[in-house]
Amino acid sequence: SQQGEEDPQALSIQEGENATMNCSYKTSINNLQWYRQNSGRGLVHLILIRSNEREKHSGRLRVTLDTSKKSSSLLITASRAADTASYFCATGDSGGSNYKLTFGKGTLLTVNP
Amino acid sequence: GAGVSQSPRYKVTKRGQDVTLRCDPISSHATLYWYQQALGQGPEFLTYFNYEAQPDKSGLPSDRFSAERPEGSISTLTIQRTEQRDSAMYRCASSLGGLSNTGELFFGEGSRLTVL
Repeated sequence: SQQGEEDPQALSIQEGENATMNCSYKTSINNLQWYRQNSGRGLVHLILIRSNEREKHSGRLRVTLDTSKKSSSLLITASRAADTASYFCATGDSGGSNYKLTFGKGTLLTVNP
Repeated sequence: GAGVSQSPRYKVTKRGQDVTLRCDPISSHATLYWYQQALGQGPEFLTYFNYEAQPDKSGLPSDRFSAERPEGSISTLTIQRTEQRDSAMYRCASSLGGLSNTGELFFGEGSRLTVL
């Protein structure tokens, strides 16, 4: 079963614009991670935010976490055509296995040159 | 190795045949995971190993699915008597430790299985 739910399912923007994707989840978590998947390729880890953190930055990426609302957002600033990919949030359930990551269905981001 | 390696990249088989998929994780990684990903969906957890131990098989869809990691490195996922609904991308990932440690999973390119 999928824990996280990304919103929107698809997003199309122009190069240089910012892209925001949201993720909602259902249970208490240890951490939340974001992954990118280019078409036909494997998933690549982008950033991890722990349940006691509220915001984290990595290059052009900014992730926020609101545990009271059970939601997270991923902001990509100054987007590039190479950012075109599917983006997945994944959660580690604090009440469950220390090893099981549960992924959402993903947001398909298209950045038009 | 440098990254997670999976083989074969593509497998087409007839319904009822058995298939075995292979994963070679990053050599320093204790933990290995198998996920199943349908088209347009996120990966769904199948099972994981800590070295050769397999503490969680809860995601395996049926007893036709089994996985091994006998020496704590290379792993195989076997699907017996394949059915068309088994068609999916099968992804292997590895990590140094559990989610409370580094947390990050390193994925291979996947094995795409098509059952005719």
